[in-house]
Amino acid sequence: QVQLQESGPGLVKASETLSLTCAVSGYSISSGYYWGWIRQPPGKGLEWIGSISHSGSTYYNPSLKSRVTISVDASKNQFSLKLSSVTAADTAVYYCARLLGVVTPSGYWGQGTLVTVSS
Amino acid sequence: QSALTQPASVSGSPGQSITISCTGTSSDVGGYNSVSWYQQHPGKAPNLMIYEVSNRPSGVSNRFSGSKSGNTASLTISGLQAEDEADYYCSSYTSSSTLVFGGGTKLTVL
Repeated sequence: QVQLQESGPGLVKASETLSLTCAVSGYSISSGYYWGWIRQPPGKGLEWIGSISHSGSTYYNPSLKSRVTISVDASKNQFSLKLSSVTAADTAVYYCARLLGVVTPSGYWGQGTLVTVSS
Repeated sequence: QSALTQPASVSGSPGQSITISCTGTSSDVGGYNSVSWYQQHPGKAPNLMIYEVSNRPSGVSNRFSGSKSGNTASLTISGLQAEDEADYYCSSYTSSSTLVFGGGTKLTVL
């Protein structure tokens, strides 16, 4: 059974960099698929952040592209998200997911982790 | 990229059918058969209900069905049940090789 688990600081100061990791179990990232990040501000809708292949090809949301880096570490079977220069608007629950194709989340999601940006 | 347009809320009584629409453009919904629908209960991660417009993942009830006409996709839930009460989101692949979500629809089972 494929499982994903997000981890990282729950509190980040404004202007700093948000860093999250998604650990994958039950499936080897090296075997294929794209992997992605999605976020949801409290009480609001879903926003696609970006995706990465097992070999490192990336796709990013144009509105976040200048601040986002997604990377993969196949040796640890995990992938990561970095979002720089955060503001209060980046406060959200961040989800990682395995994808269908290059951008579409499948039925495999992490439970989500709340990241709050403090001033 | 602009979010896809969904009604903010829909409601129905148990046993009835409801339809949620998802309107985009020819650069997303209308241009690709890559529309998906997600169900999200409070405090939970979204769950994939429909992919590629009308395909159901294994384990999803056949009471859920999807379709598309032009730039508008639809999710229909038949035989409405109390556990169907949730938020529903559509998503679509775009011509920029990105993903765009709808704003979400809150389904209330009366």
